[in-house]
Amino acid sequence: AQTVTQSQPEMSVQEAETVTLSCTYDTSESDYYLFWYKQPPSRQMILVIRQEAYKQQNATENRFSVNFQKAAKSFSLKISDSQLGDAAMYFCAYRSANTGNQFYFGTGTSLTVIP
Amino acid sequence: GAVVSQHPSWVICKSGTSVKIECRSLDFQATTMFWYRQFPKQSLMLMATSNEGSKATYEQGVEKDKFLINHASLTLSTLTVTSAHPEDSSFYICSASDETGPHRTQYFGPGTRLTVL
Repeated sequence: AQTVTQSQPEMSVQEAETVTLSCTYDTSESDYYLFWYKQPPSRQMILVIRQEAYKQQNATENRFSVNFQKAAKSFSLKISDSQLGDAAMYFCAYRSANTGNQFYFGTGTSLTVIP
Repeated sequence: GAVVSQHPSWVICKSGTSVKIECRSLDFQATTMFWYRQFPKQSLMLMATSNEGSKATYEQGVEKDKFLINHASLTLSTLTVTSAHPEDSSFYICSASDETGPHRTQYFGPGTRLTVL
């Protein structure tokens, strides 16, 4: 099975500053999808951003962007102009494009935003 | 975006009783739904994949007779925790896969907190 690693259990950022959350994964496949999900205290999982492996261009959604390095199997999330509402658990996830629909989640990074 | 609901949002039951949790996709048809379990401050652990009209596929270590899954329609999957015990207390999350879109994104329900006394 694929493994997803988030090496930062906790991170903090000053409000309005930028923070980068790390994610690496292990796979032998060439076609897959990568996701970042946010889980606030309400526990509702919210999709933040997605990336198709066949696309070289890094995905961007407003203040959220990724740095996708396919050869290095790295998929980091950058949050710009951090807001108090960004405080949450962030999970990186992998999904194969070919075999099944299962998502493989990392262990999560707890982000604190300091006012 | 797509919406997935879960009912109930929380439930407290006595040890030995069974609890049913419903997961519904509200604005799309989901041939596949997933059930996860999440312990405090931990990641989501996939329990099983629920396929409409067929038997669920359980992950290794998950007791299929303990956690009964029924996917009776394209918008509803249910998870029944049978003969619940305190160690079954957890947060259960379902998700539904929207296969019609290009990204095959999973949309998550709000979760159900189960407490077994």
